[in-house]
Amino acid sequence: GAVVSQHPSWVICKSGTSVKIECRSLDFQATTMFWYRQFPKQSLMLMATSNEGSKATYEQGVEKDKFLINHASLTLSTLTVTSAHPEDSSFYICSARRDSLYGYTFGSGTRLTVV
Amino acid sequence: AQSVTQPDIHITVSEGASLELRCNYSYGATPYLFWYVQSPGQGLQLLLKYFSGDTLVQGIKGFEAEFKRSQSSFNLRKPSVHWSDAAEYFCAVGASGGSYIPTFGRGTSLIVHP
Repeated sequence: GAVVSQHPSWVICKSGTSVKIECRSLDFQATTMFWYRQFPKQSLMLMATSNEGSKATYEQGVEKDKFLINHASLTLSTLTVTSAHPEDSSFYICSARRDSLYGYTFGSGTRLTVV
Repeated sequence: AQSVTQPDIHITVSEGASLELRCNYSYGATPYLFWYVQSPGQGLQLLLKYFSGDTLVQGIKGFEAEFKRSQSSFNLRKPSVHWSDAAEYFCAVGASGGSYIPTFGRGTSLIVHP
């Protein structure tokens, strides 16, 4: 299969603190991973493409200093929400593609609540 | 750039009834098309995908979808809905070739009445 694990599944943090979310490909190597943000009752919006060993590519309008992405290995990408504010509260989902046969596999998501 | 329209925000059906969820896409060439399902608080699970070939695609959980180029549509169908099918359904389109990163529609919420 092609399994993507995301951790934590939910997190509550105080305003001004930073939160790290991990995305792991469990049974395959992923040179590229993707981070999405989903607002309640809305679609998934691609935030950035995480590239192993190089800088992430951010979509227009996404603050790269706010959402730090690190892809240090072929099986792990992390998203750090820095100096979190209540408006950063959202559902964050990562994704990776094993190959063309499997298509894109998604993690189970992380519910971030900033209080 | 590609885009996806899911015209129905909510669909309500009775258990055992048939289901059709609509999806229209915009893309200059033959796209890659996907349907995903999302249960509350969960990630997305791929139901089926179309890359090429037979325009009627069979997926998991008894779902199927038909690619109609003339209508730029990729509607999802199921002949008999089960209560466990209640979820959010997302249609997505990817540019053919390359990494085809999917662009998602806004989703359709399926409500199943007993």
